[in-house]
Amino acid sequence: DTAVSQTPKYLVTQMGNDKSIKCEQNLGHDTMYWYKQDSKKFLKIMFSYNNKELIINETVPNRFSPKSPDKAHLNLHINSLELGDSAVYFCASSQQGKDEAFFGQGTRLTVV
Amino acid sequence: EDKVVQSPLSLVVHEGDTVTLNCSYEVTNFRSLLWYKQEKKAPTFLFMLTSSGIEKKSGRLSSILDKKELFSILNITATQTGDSAIYLCAVDTGGSEKLVFGKGTKLTVNP
Repeated sequence: DTAVSQTPKYLVTQMGNDKSIKCEQNLGHDTMYWYKQDSKKFLKIMFSYNNKELIINETVPNRFSPKSPDKAHLNLHINSLELGDSAVYFCASSQQGKDEAFFGQGTRLTVV
Repeated sequence: EDKVVQSPLSLVVHEGDTVTLNCSYEVTNFRSLLWYKQEKKAPTFLFMLTSSGIEKKSGRLSSILDKKELFSILNITATQTGDSAIYLCAVDTGGSEKLVFGKGTKLTVNP
């Protein structure tokens, strides 16, 4: 009965590959986010979508492209993966006008 | 199933009050516990606790972990309106460094 689920949980891939991470929420929220957690445990927002429209697009390489087929899904596609992309990526969702955000458990991406 | 439970879910206080936020957890594997302050965009990292009984302190904020009783508290003394936020607790459950988040405590500090 997971509220925000990400797949896969782990991803190991070679440099130069293209990969996607999927996120789904069953909370009926209209806003979804992608965060990258760095080695110091800081969470940096990458993208925010509200009702399938891009709201926040922080300074991330354009190799990262979010795709929101519907309100319940926000997928993260990464082209030409680099070693520095290795991190844990978190998806979250919230309802517009409310502060609380619900987080997925994260996807550990390792680029070798 | 791993879970992290925070209490209270919301709290309203006056400036100058001291507050204590609670976080209890049940996980199959414990590596560390983290506290974040969530405001507009991204949660701000506050503390990471790995050892039981050792208090981490930063200004008016402090936190301690009890690994025997499986909980942590976050204290904020002399609260200010700028402390108003949602405080998230998360547990790192192992070598994958993935986090299990609690639902957060919404703190409102009124002038």
